[in-house]
Amino acid sequence: RKEVEQDPGPFNVPEGATVAFNCTYSNSASQSFFWYRQDCRKEPKLLMSVYSSGNEDGRFTAQLNRASQYISLLIRDSKLSDSATYLCVVNRDDKIIFGKGTRLHILP
Amino acid sequence: GAGVSQSPRYKVAKRGQDVALRCDPISGHVSLFWYQQALGQGPEFLTYFQNEAQLDKSGLPSDRFFAERPEGSVSTLKIQRTQQEDSAVYLCARNDPNTGELFFGEGSRLTVL
Repeated sequence: RKEVEQDPGPFNVPEGATVAFNCTYSNSASQSFFWYRQDCRKEPKLLMSVYSSGNEDGRFTAQLNRASQYISLLIRDSKLSDSATYLCVVNRDDKIIFGKGTRLHILP
Repeated sequence: GAGVSQSPRYKVAKRGQDVALRCDPISGHVSLFWYQQALGQGPEFLTYFQNEAQLDKSGLPSDRFFAERPEGSVSTLKIQRTQQEDSAVYLCARNDPNTGELFFGEGSRLTVL
């Protein structure tokens, strides 16, 4: 079993809709959590960190549930430019582990 | 940019050939990570340096893979006797110690024929 698991998708979502991704991690010793975005044939870039209290950045909301070892990302009012792969990332003892990614296609 | 320069951007190797991939982070960055990303997959951890010390090499898939960072700055990932399954993008990253954010280079795309 992979240490970080995500639904690979693709999620095909009409522009303006709300979409949510989930991610689970298996090691309870994991210390910090992130969502990265990766565009086609580009390197991953940080989208947002994920805090225990939940955090929001514009149209993006991230949540962490340590008891269930579960992380989520919500995108509201989706834009065509949100089309990308979203990578769930976990830091455990300075070893930074990526999920396989969830592909999102926003449809005009 | 991200402050991480990788070369070559593209490498085509014949099966059995040795390759060397270079990562040059901006000066003063202590931590350096190597990842392998196959098509349609997420980045897979290979190895991690803090200065010249290789603190974790648990992700290196076989003894054909070797990484070094002798002076704590430039790092080289060497793959000996390349196989087709080594075809991937090899990503190097530096780490912001305050935020934990990884900053990636553009990657080296290796194709083994």
